Amino acid sequence: DTEVTQTPKHLVMGMTNKKSLKCEQHMGHRAMYWYKQKAKKPPELMFVYSYEKLSINESVPSRFSPECPNSSLLNLHLHALQPEDSALYLCASSLKTTGSYEQYFGPGTRLTVT
Amino acid sequence: AQKITQTQPGMFVQEKEAVTLDCTYDTSDPSYGLFWYKQPSSGEMIFLIYQGSYDQQNATEGRYSLNFQKARKSANLVISASQLGDSAMYFCAMREGYNNNDMRFGAGTRLTVKP
Repeated sequence: DTEVTQTPKHLVMGMTNKKSLKCEQHMGHRAMYWYKQKAKKPPELMFVYSYEKLSINESVPSRFSPECPNSSLLNLHLHALQPEDSALYLCASSLKTTGSYEQYFGPGTRLTVT
Repeated sequence: AQKITQTQPGMFVQEKEAVTLDCTYDTSDPSYGLFWYKQPSSGEMIFLIYQGSYDQQNATEGRYSLNFQKARKSANLVISASQLGDSAMYFCAMREGYNNNDMRFGAGTRLTVKP
């Protein structure tokens, strides 16, 4: 099963709301990633978790807060977002963070901030 | 500095023909990996093919092959016998070093397959 699931598929939130994005994989992967993708642009790395520990934070604003409760789950908590944060948020996982392992992506959550 | 360059914003190909999508990269690290992903309009990124910097042979996966020219720092994707379902955005990506989990993407090429 090479599947990464993400919920919700679509999310509309106001600038004062608090919401969370969820990502799940059951492939035994020990690395999980959050990417942000604006329309017609490539994905941009936000966070990397390796063995449930945050290993990369690409200077992402604190209104985005990642959480990795266990090796299968990855959350992205959202608070006080801005309209420019509207984008497709992609989760990915790979067997490890080292070496040549490809990343498997979920279908993404399309976020609109009003 | 841009590390991955895809110079073709859009490409058209006739169904059943072959097409080459260009990708050049820049790195001083002798160890790196190159990846190609397909992104249909639905949004999901689909892994297609991988080439390691030390691999002697060009990678192939079904109808996908990677034309790896190390000296020219290019890793072009060749899709043979194009199908209508191949219409999508295609991204080239690179990860430098063995312990680096940071994968960077090129700007992408939108491929349209014509019937």
